[in-house]
Amino acid sequence: GAGVSQSPSNKVTEKGKDVELRCDPISGHTALYWYRQSLGQGLEFLIYFQGNSAPDKSGLPSDRFSAERTGGSVSTLTIQRTQQEDSAVYLCASSLVGGSVNEQFFGPGTRLTVL
Amino acid sequence: QQQVKQSPQSLIVQKGGISIINCAYENTAFDYFPWYQQFPGKGPALLIAIRPDVSEKKEGRFTISFNKSAKQFSLHIMDSQPGDSATYFCAATGAGSYQLTFGKGTKLSVIP
Repeated sequence: GAGVSQSPSNKVTEKGKDVELRCDPISGHTALYWYRQSLGQGLEFLIYFQGNSAPDKSGLPSDRFSAERTGGSVSTLTIQRTQQEDSAVYLCASSLVGGSVNEQFFGPGTRLTVL
Repeated sequence: QQQVKQSPQSLIVQKGGISIINCAYENTAFDYFPWYQQFPGKGPALLIAIRPDVSEKKEGRFTISFNKSAKQFSLHIMDSQPGDSATYFCAATGAGSYQLTFGKGTKLSVIP
């Protein structure tokens, strides 16, 4: 497929467990973004990767959240010791180059439910 | 601090009518204002965008109106169709930034 893909599409976990969410960006896109979409809220920026540069982690809500991007392509968002307030849809986007005026293409998201 | 305020939260419009969604921003450094459309179970997709050097941009049935002095911009959907039923997000960003600041979204329902 030509679009951004994310897996799993749904994840149900118990409070205190760790989860990993995966994002496959569009081939050739150097910039990758993670957002969180909570019920009734807009999209909240989490983290930004551009090529091999150090990521901008300024949006991560706590040190339980981390993300990596291997080989400039696939990215994994990890949430440790999940809490109920982490329940949300986690969206990944990629763009050809960095800078938000470059169209960001979003994946379908991973719906995380923490029981 | 919510930097982009969007209203209404939900909107019901009859088929053929005009849908209007409004956004207001606070940060005068913002200079790019995109609108995203999101269908259930899908990620948002760029619909239309505007820069503040123009007051209006039209693409098909979709028009953005921009008022720089009031720091407001709006999306107008002409001849609304049931297929337009979706959640719409306004967003804003500043020069050189890669962070989009989103409004909270408007759920539009177009009824036949």
